[in-house]
Amino acid sequence: DAKTTQPPSMDCAEGRAANLPCNHSTISGNEYVYWYRQIHSQGPQYIIHGLKNNETNEMASLIITEDRKSSTLILPHATLRDTAVYYCIVRVLNDYKLSFGAGTTVTVRA
Amino acid sequence: GAVVSQHPSWVICKSGTSVKIECRSLDFQATTMFWYRQFPKQSLMLMATSNEGSKATYEQGVEKDKFLINHASLTLSTLTVTSAHPEDSSFYICSASLGKRDWGEQYFGPGTRLTVT
Repeated sequence: DAKTTQPPSMDCAEGRAANLPCNHSTISGNEYVYWYRQIHSQGPQYIIHGLKNNETNEMASLIITEDRKSSTLILPHATLRDTAVYYCIVRVLNDYKLSFGAGTTVTVRA
Repeated sequence: GAVVSQHPSWVICKSGTSVKIECRSLDFQATTMFWYRQFPKQSLMLMATSNEGSKATYEQGVEKDKFLINHASLTLSTLTVTSAHPEDSSFYICSASLGKRDWGEQYFGPGTRLTVT
């Protein structure tokens, strides 16, 4: 699986959009970009995934650059409950393995 | 939907004893379940993959005789840590998948905190 690079931490203000970057410059054509998050002392939670088109669901939006070498997860209106470690993972769709890196610790402040 | 539970949520045991952790998919049948371990301030590490009715597949470096995994039904997988030692103290998390087409959307349990004294 391609490696990903994420900033170790970031702060954002409650009510504002949080933009989480992820670099995956060695991504292959058949690899998807997945985002999970882990709130302290809980199991990870699936957020969203995409191949090359931008995706949106009730939790977030995923913007993938045209060359697919990077992506951004957008939490449109961050709340205190969005404070968590966010993991960007690239993998082939039918490969069960999820390789969790260090992720980005996001702290939402009031 | 797609809720996964774990029991117990935390457990303290003495060195040398065994402890069993249960992982259940509450509202779906999980063809495949996964077990992860997470040490403090570290990321999740996949330990093993279990398919209902067959032997688990362990990741490199994980002792299969120490971490016994049983996946007896489509809704239950168990992890038994045998002869536990303090270094086995960790956060154990299971996840379940609906099947090949949804492996990316693994549904995680809340985790079990194991402390070995």
